[in-house]
Amino acid sequence: DSGVTQTPKHLITATGQRVTLRCSPRSGDLSVYWYQQSLDQGLQFLIQYYNGEERAKGNILERFSAQQFPDLHSELNLSSLELGDSALYFCASSAPGQGPQYFGPGTRLLVL
Amino acid sequence: AQSVTQLGSHVSVSEGALVLLRCNYSSSVPPYLFWYVQYPNQGLQLLLKYTSAATLVKGINGFEAEFKKSETSFHLTKPSAHMSDAAEYFCAVSDRTGGSEKLVFGKGTKLTVNP
Repeated sequence: DSGVTQTPKHLITATGQRVTLRCSPRSGDLSVYWYQQSLDQGLQFLIQYYNGEERAKGNILERFSAQQFPDLHSELNLSSLELGDSALYFCASSAPGQGPQYFGPGTRLLVL
Repeated sequence: AQSVTQLGSHVSVSEGALVLLRCNYSSSVPPYLFWYVQYPNQGLQLLLKYTSAATLVKGINGFEAEFKKSETSFHLTKPSAHMSDAAEYFCAVSDRTGGSEKLVFGKGTKLTVNP
């Protein structure tokens, strides 16, 4: 158990819909990272938050957004969903200077 | 920009044989390197990390990796494979540009262990 929790574990929805994925980092970790894992793209960095502020952006679509709340949990919002958004979405957390070492179990999103 | 290349998308070994998973990196700064393992339907678990200390890094489950700057490599090894080692393994480099520490992953190597 990495100490990073993600909900829900599975999500099935339809094209055009909007979903929210939730992540709680390890106790004391200020950084939260979101990654997408798909068969064709592999593991891709989406976005990082550090202590409530956006720190870095990767290959995140404009339809996607994220935020980190004062209690340090984070949410990834995916809207206008397309079939190609079906993937595993991972959250990771880290302490400063250590890199994103601790990954959550992921949310498997299926868009039908 | 930092990048990682994993040679061989599939590696098959016999139980008890040496495991060697290859990773080469490209980095404009001294790299931080990681190996992660992913079991089916699970998240990524950190096996080991290199952050500019000892070049031979020991990890969990008997794995180790050696950082070789001259070869820009960080290959993962285990002397004797066990059935429970069957999983997908990812090499990653930390991209520390702009104050971030995001990881850039290789495409992964699926390890099969035959009895």
